[in-house]
Amino acid sequence: AQKVTQAQTEISVVEKEDVTLDCVYETRDTTYYLFWYKQPPSGELVFLIRRNSFDEQNEISGRYSWNFQKSTSSFNFTITASQVVDSAVYFCALTRSDSGGGADGLTFGKGTHLIIQP
Amino acid sequence: EAQVTQNPRYLITVTGKKLTVTCSQNMNHEYMSWYRQDPGLGLRQIYYSMNVEVTDKGDVPEGYKVSRKEKRNFPLILESPSPNQTSLYFCASSWSATNEKLFFGSGTQLSVL
Repeated sequence: AQKVTQAQTEISVVEKEDVTLDCVYETRDTTYYLFWYKQPPSGELVFLIRRNSFDEQNEISGRYSWNFQKSTSSFNFTITASQVVDSAVYFCALTRSDSGGGADGLTFGKGTHLIIQP
Repeated sequence: EAQVTQNPRYLITVTGKKLTVTCSQNMNHEYMSWYRQDPGLGLRQIYYSMNVEVTDKGDVPEGYKVSRKEKRNFPLILESPSPNQTSLYFCASSWSATNEKLFFGSGTQLSVL
């Protein structure tokens, strides 16, 4: 069965600091997708990134970057020069496999609550 | 505007009183799903649907029902709600299964007294 572990329940940093959110996953599938979602205080879930298991290139989008390492089954998320607006709960997720070899949903980690203090 | 619409946003009910949370998407997505979010547990999948008239159980289906009579609608039904179903519920959709990104509704906060 798939599993996603976000060991950091809560992180608090001061604005402008860099912060890394950890995500470790378990799966027996050779093909899978990893995601990050953001949930700001307003409650909606906002898609940030999707990465497939064959693409280990790191990705950078503005102040956000993602480090995917299959060797350690990790998909970590770094925010550079954090801002108060980055305060949110961040979820890492992994595609669930169904019995037919397809995907039938996402397995989410428990989330990391990121607090950026001014 | 492409969106997933859930209603109601907030709902307070009593044990045993049947309720329905509606979900509708306007993107012609084939895949739809329901999740519940509880503190310390993250999001857990309740039911999903790969297409019209095709539904299946997720990780926590007990006490819930769904139907998919039309492509755009995927209501969540609680026949006899209990206090342990107090939770934040999200409907989501995507083009196909979940290799694609999920579009989420704005959530329904349900309290069962």
